[in-house]
Amino acid sequence: EVHLLESGGGLVQPGGSLRLSCAASGFTFTNYGMSWVRQAPGKGLEWVSGISSSGGTTYYADSVQGRFSISRDNSRSIQYLQLDSLRVEDTAIYYCTTTLLGVNYWGQGTLVTVSS
Amino acid sequence: DIQMTQSPSTLSASVGDRVTITCRASQSITTYLAWYQQKPGKAPKLLIYKASNLQGGVPSRFSGSGSGTEFTLTINSLQPDDFATYYCHQYKNYFWTFGQGTKVEI
Repeated sequence: EVHLLESGGGLVQPGGSLRLSCAASGFTFTNYGMSWVRQAPGKGLEWVSGISSSGGTTYYADSVQGRFSISRDNSRSIQYLQLDSLRVEDTAIYYCTTTLLGVNYWGQGTLVTVSS
Repeated sequence: DIQMTQSPSTLSASVGDRVTITCRASQSITTYLAWYQQKPGKAPKLLIYKASNLQGGVPSRFSGSGSGTEFTLTINSLQPDDFATYYCHQYKNYFWTFGQGTKVEI
């Protein structure tokens, strides 16, 4: 069974940093790309970033380009999202996601709150 | 980026009704379209993948159709547990986009 478990969320001041982690299990991690999606309070879903199976190619939404960095450790089946220069509008639940053979899988999310 | 236009934004319905939600893509996404149900405080729940495939464990009253740029989610005989917000999601490439959501309410 596919399982994605996020961690690393919390309260941070504007301008601060956080690193989110996503531990994956139940599938061959090295074979699949991974992504992060976020949802601000009371708002819709927004794709944030993606990474290829090898980690060699990364993709970012314009809203986070230059501030967030995605990476993965295929030896440990973990993907990361480094969040720098955080803004109040980055406050959201961040979900770890992947697509296996056309089916999308999501974790339960980790809450990031940016506030002074 | 591929834009997804979902309608309606709010839908008032009653138990037993047949409900239809539409999603339109700004360019062809073939069948890389998913539908989710989300309830307050919960992660999105996958209902339909690849436009028309029912995810395991999802009741058969849910169905999806379409290809290219026009897609539909249909709920036959709406049940009390179905009152929620629904999102479409295109995943043709890494630059995913989502519809704005449809809140199904009484």
